[in-house]
Parts: sequence; structure tokens; C-alpha cells
Amino acid sequence: QQQVKQSPQSLIVQKGGISIINCAYENTAFDYFPWYQQFPGKGPALLIAIRPDVSEKKEGRFTISFNKSAKQFSLHIMDSQPGDSATYFCAALFSGGGADGLTFGKGTHLIIQP
Amino acid sequence: NAGVTQTPKFRILKIGQSMTLQCTQDMNHNYMYWYRQDPGMGLKLIYYSVGAGITDKGEVPNGYNVSRSTTEDFPLRLELAAPSQTSVYFCASSYYQETQYFGPGTRLLVL
Repeated sequence: QQQVKQSPQSLIVQKGGISIINCAYENTAFDYFPWYQQFPGKGPALLIAIRPDVSEKKEGRFTISFNKSAKQFSLHIMDSQPGDSATYFCAALFSGGGADGLTFGKGTHLIIQP
Repeated sequence: NAGVTQTPKFRILKIGQSMTLQCTQDMNHNYMYWYRQDPGMGLKLIYYSVGAGITDKGEVPNGYNVSRSTTEDFPLRLELAAPSQTSVYFCASSYYQETQYFGPGTRLLVL
């Protein structure tokens, strides 16, 4: 059972455009929703995260939008740059359920064309 | 401060061989994790530890074993390697559960 569904699988955006990646979750006990960025040959790195008590969080060009009733959250990358080309993973965690790790989406391969 | 380090970076194993993937963190984190990443499948949790001497199974533990004798080290043992264990393995650590820091990964090929 896939508890975090991520779309699209791949995405091509022109430089300066807005990249949008969506995730949906099933387990309403999840209370922490991070996005990870991964470059080829590297480990994932935390990009931005949100808790369900807020609907939006912004850090620079990166914004998470969170819809608790729809059980969905999304990553928006404004003014996308070629250096943003990477694989992005959404994830979810139930922080009160023991240390059983993050549940990841399958990833989105983002390409920013110059 | 090196963060999370993993060795080796790449390894080829023959079916039935065994090996240990090493993971060390220098951030004094209590929580440590092992994930595997298969193409197009995201990351799946193999084992985790909440402190020295305490380990537990994740989503995909079969064929693996772990130990945690110190806060810093969390080795992953593969016994009787199988082609299905061909993957990229990531170790991660965190002070609390939320902010997990990942190592650079070990690419394993089982032939």
C-alpha cells in the first residue's frame, strides 16, 4: 500500500517558470511533511518541510502548500533555474508513532530547460 | 563536521556473498536509519535505531541485519546476497525524527 502518492513522475519547465509537484497521503496520523532534493550520485537533502497546522510555508523560491482536508500537499518552485534540475521527493512522518522513518513518494525528476 | 559518512561508495557482490555497509555520523544523533532506493520507487526503510543497543525493523528488513553498539556507528549487514538486493543504500541520522540527514549512499550490484 503506497501511503504517499507523488505526481508527476517527470517534469520539464522552462527557465524562469513555476515548477509544481504534488503529493497525496492516506494516513491522517502523519504530522510532518518534508520535501527532499536529490542530485545524481548524492543523498537526499532536506529542502523544506511543513506541519499540518499551517497551510503554506515559504523559504526563498520554494513554497509548500498544504491542504489538510484533501490530504494533499505540493511544492512550488518559483523562477525555476537550471540548477534546480534534480529529483524531488515528498515524504511524510508520524512523529508520535515511534522512530519508524519517513514514508517517501516515488519521486519527480525535474528538468529546467535554459 | 563530516555529517553522515558511508563506505564503500560502490561494490559488486556475487550471489551468496556477504558484506557490511558502514555508516558513521558525527552529529551525536540518537536516531539512525537505513533506506534502500530503487529506480522509480522512492526510498524504503530497512532498519532503524533510536539509540545504542536498540534497533528495529522497517518496511523491507528481509535479508539484512543491523547492530548499534555506539551512538556514531550503524552498520548494515547483508547475508547471502541476492540480485534483488541490487540497489542504492542510504544511511540517515537525526536528533529528533523529523530532520533526517542522509549520507552519500552505497551503490551495490549483486551478480
